[in-house]
Amino acid sequence: ETGVTQTPRHLVMGMTNKKSLKCEQHLGHNAMYWYKQSAKKPLELMFVYSLEERVENNSVPSRFSPECPNSSHLFLHLHTLQPEDSALYLCASSQGIPVHTGELFFGEGSRLTVL
Amino acid sequence: AQSVTQLGSHVSVSEGALVLLRCNYSSSVPPYLFWYVQYPNQGLQLLLKYTSAATLVKGINGFEAEFKKSETSFHLTKPSAHMSDAAEYFCAVSDNTDKLIFGTGTRLQVFP
Repeated sequence: ETGVTQTPRHLVMGMTNKKSLKCEQHLGHNAMYWYKQSAKKPLELMFVYSLEERVENNSVPSRFSPECPNSSHLFLHLHTLQPEDSALYLCASSQGIPVHTGELFFGEGSRLTVL
Repeated sequence: AQSVTQLGSHVSVSEGALVLLRCNYSSSVPPYLFWYVQYPNQGLQLLLKYTSAATLVKGINGFEAEFKKSETSFHLTKPSAHMSDAAEYFCAVSDNTDKLIFGTGTRLQVFP
């Protein structure tokens, strides 16, 4: 299995829907991340979990709700999103924190379109 | 606050030509610097990283980057471009925390 797996790869949802993005890492890492990638913008760090505890929340709107039930799985629950939330959502993992001691391993992303 | 600036959102080169992708950083502390590559429909993959050892860093696929403190730069180069190098390249900076701050990316096109 690949190192970091994200599902679904593509998701279209209405503004009133509730959906979730799933990330699973098979690398034995202790830290997991959600990034948002929008066109012509830098990658935005949304959430960081270390040993299943949230250590970073970069002023992300409450319509995005992360969950990390164990060190291998990370979810991003979505509800009442806006069209500007359409983007590629990337999950990543690392051996530990600080991140510079190793590297981030990224999944292939979930392409979200909000209608 | 830390930041990186990538000059040029698009770079086009001919196959066999030199590749030069520019990155300048801003950091109040000695930085850790990274280059990541994103191929179409894939996640990001680490190319190389600078962590205060040698200033010239060699990475995968023939890429290298040189840390120049006086110029606050960390430009990525490859002597001879290959068609398979076509991708988007991201420069990133980190301090001693959990954050990696990414640039806006540079899309590299390679023409035959």
